Amino acid sequence: DGGITQSPKYLFRKEGQNVTLSCEQNLNHDAMYWYRQDPGQGLRLIYYSQIVNDFQKGDIAEGYSVSREKKESFPLTVTSAQKNPTAFYLCASSLTLVGGDYGYTFGSGTRLTVV
Amino acid sequence: AQSVTQLDSHVSVSEGTPVLLRCNYSSSYSPSLFWYVQHPNKGLQLLLKYTSAATLVKGINGFEAEFKKSETSFHLTKPSAHMSDAAEYFCVVTFFSGYSTLTFGKGTMLLVSP
Repeated sequence: DGGITQSPKYLFRKEGQNVTLSCEQNLNHDAMYWYRQDPGQGLRLIYYSQIVNDFQKGDIAEGYSVSREKKESFPLTVTSAQKNPTAFYLCASSLTLVGGDYGYTFGSGTRLTVV
Repeated sequence: AQSVTQLDSHVSVSEGTPVLLRCNYSSSYSPSLFWYVQHPNKGLQLLLKYTSAATLVKGINGFEAEFKKSETSFHLTKPSAHMSDAAEYFCVVTFFSGYSTLTFGKGTMLLVSP
């Protein structure tokens, strides 16, 4: 079955460390996204990518970095510059970045905790 | 610019009673509107979507929503709540055409009591 796989499900990070969250999709979607979810804040867009080797900052990109070397993969690195990284991170994809009736398919998320 | 406001952070209902989750949107262009549901520690699942066709949209699990342009609203309803409906619900807006990412409301937690 096609879908999005995020790993790991739970991740613990020490202060000052960089960590990378994995996101893989086999839906043949061009566009991929990373969102951060905090209680009572909804989802906030970190980065998005329309095609391979191209990505754009979202609303809260500071302290994060991404790459898009393959269509299927869009890993997110949470750097030590991110002041408050503890959150639930969701990866999503859509057929295209162009609007219309293309909803997003979401992964099951990674919960990152700084210890 | 686009934005979406979910008017209630929490809604409590009894099993078997109707559900109403309220959403108002703002969009400079023709909007596409979605409702997603999220169960604890899970990803989001699409419930239904409006994309300029019929204004009354039927989704999965008995949910439906009505697009009212004059009121800029897209409220989610269900005639009879089930315990399994307890989850967080997100109203989402994007443009119908052109490049656009989704803008999420802050979510409404639906609590269902026996």
